[in-house]
Amino acid sequence: QVTLKESGPALVKPTQTLTLTCTVSGFSLSTRGSRVSWIRQPPGGALEWLTRLDWNDDKFYTTSLRTRLTTSKDTSKNQVVLTMTNMDPADTATYYCARTNGDNYFDYWGQGTLVTASS
Amino acid sequence: EIVLTQSPVTLSLSPGERATLSCRASQSISNSLAWYQQKPGQAPRLIIYDASNRATGIPARFSGSGSGTDFTLSISSLEPEDFAVYHCQQRSKWPLTFGGGTKVEIK
Repeated sequence: QVTLKESGPALVKPTQTLTLTCTVSGFSLSTRGSRVSWIRQPPGGALEWLTRLDWNDDKFYTTSLRTRLTTSKDTSKNQVVLTMTNMDPADTATYYCARTNGDNYFDYWGQGTLVTASS
Repeated sequence: EIVLTQSPVTLSLSPGERATLSCRASQSISNSLAWYQQKPGQAPRLIIYDASNRATGIPARFSGSGSGTDFTLSISSLEPEDFAVYHCQQRSKWPLTFGGGTKVEIK
């Protein structure tokens, strides 16, 4: 059974760095073909894809946030980490991690974690 | 970046009626489009991939069509559990992008 679960702070101050962790089960991050993306959704808003991290450590980032995002993994812990620097109130959103299949569709999602950027 | 425009923003229908949702791409994406269903407080769920293929476990009342720039998600006869927000997503070019969503609400 494939599951993903996000964890991290619910509140960050503007200018701070956000670090979120996605813990996966039911598949291995080191298995060929394994890919995990981060996607966010502001309250009442649209989904926005942020990054994808592959089993071989290939990484892909959305253009507009490229300079602020970093993704990495710890295969021994089955975890994928997202960091976003210089947080702004506009970054307030629910952040999801999702398994990404070979066709770049998202077939399993975590429950999401709401992050509020506010002083 | 490929922009996906969904219409209408809100669709008000009664159970048993047919729903037709539209997703238009700013440039041709062949059939590289998926649809997701999202209920309040839940993560999205993949329902259609490659424009017309139902994902595992998705009922036959859901169907997708289209190619190039114009795509449609149809729900043949709305069940109470189908009232939700639907999002389209393209995988043709980086970055991966989503549409703004269509809310299907009970009339």
